[in-house]
This record gives sequence, structure tokens and C-alpha cells, in this order.
Amino acid sequence: DGGITQSPKYLFRKEGQNVTLSCEQNLNHDAMYWYRQDPGQGLRLIYYSQIVNDFQKGDIAEGYSVSREKKESFPLTVTSAQKNPTAFYLCASSLGQDQPQHFGDGTRLSIL
Amino acid sequence: GNSVTQMEGPVTLSEEAFLTINCTYTATGYPSLFWYVQYPGEGLQLLLKATKADDKGSNKGFEATYRKETTSFHLEKGSVQVSDSAVYFCALLTRDTGRRALTFGSGTRLQVQP
Repeated sequence: DGGITQSPKYLFRKEGQNVTLSCEQNLNHDAMYWYRQDPGQGLRLIYYSQIVNDFQKGDIAEGYSVSREKKESFPLTVTSAQKNPTAFYLCASSLGQDQPQHFGDGTRLSIL
Repeated sequence: GNSVTQMEGPVTLSEEAFLTINCTYTATGYPSLFWYVQYPGEGLQLLLKATKADDKGSNKGFEATYRKETTSFHLEKGSVQVSDSAVYFCALLTRDTGRRALTFGSGTRLQVQP
């Protein structure tokens, strides 16, 4: 079945450590997105990519980095510069920029 | 800029009650509008969409009509079930150049009691 796979489901980070969240899709979608969700709040856009080897900052990109070397993969690195990383992270993809987005099941990141 | 405003939750209803979750938006141009649903511990699932004024999106008994004059996209269901308990997000996507990602409301939690 086609879909979006995020891993791991739960992730713990130590102070000063970088961690990378995986997002893989087999839907042959061109566009991919990373959102952050905090309790009781909506989703905020971190980064998005409309095509391979290209990505743009969203509303809250500081402390995060991404790469888009392959169409099906869009990993997100939460760097030590992100001072409040505890959140639920959601990856999404869409066939094109104007198409509905499909979401993975998310990764919950916590600080040790 | 773009923004979406949803009614505060939680909304608590008895089974078979009528549901309305209000959503209004501010956007440049003519956005597409969406409702997504999130079950506990999961990602978001697209519930329904509408791409132009007066369009009605519908799915699984839920409906929403794109009202350009009132900039609204309220979600309705005639008879809710316990299994509808979830968080519902209204979102918009504009067609202008530049950012092509969804703008979300803050979500409305629905609790349906048997």
C-alpha cells in the first residue's frame, strides 16, 4: 500500500544533541512538508520541498535543517540550536502544490 | 497574511446529536479549503475539501460548504457517533506564488458520549 512512513514513532534527545527524523513516501509525490504540533495547537510549518534538491523555510525553521536528495525521502534534523524541541512532528506529501496533503503518523520527540 | 480561526473546544455531544464546528478564514486570493481529522496518537487524515466558492465537500456523513461571502467553511454532521471523537482541523491552501503549504487552524476536539 502507498503511504508515508515516519520513524521512529518516539524519540528522545539529550541536551546538545542533534537528532534526525525520517520521512519516506512511496506515493510518487513531488512535494513534501514538515510540521510541528504542540499540545492544543494547530500545525506550524517548519520546511517544505516542492521538488528534489530544493526546499524552503516555513514559519518556524530556526533550529531545524532538512535535505531532499531523493524524491521519496525528506529527513528532518532537529539541531541543538532548537531550544524547545519537545513536540509531535508530522511529515506530509502531496502530488503537486495545489493538491491535498497526505500525512504520516508522526514522531513524538522528547528531551531527556 | 493567511489565517484560520476555529471555535474553541472541546465540543462534547451525545451520540446522534447534530454537530457544527465553525471555521472562518483570512486569505489572499481564492484559497482551497480543507477539513482534516486527527485520531489520538495518529497523523492527520483528509476528511473533505472544497476548491471554489459554493462548493460542498462531503465524506462519511460530514459536510462543509465554501462560503466566500462570509469567508467560512463550517463542518457539520447530522448524527455523530462515538467513533467520531477526534480533533478536527480546518485548513486553507492559496494559489498565489511562493508558499504552497497549508495554513491550519488550532483544531477543535470533539468528544462524543454514548
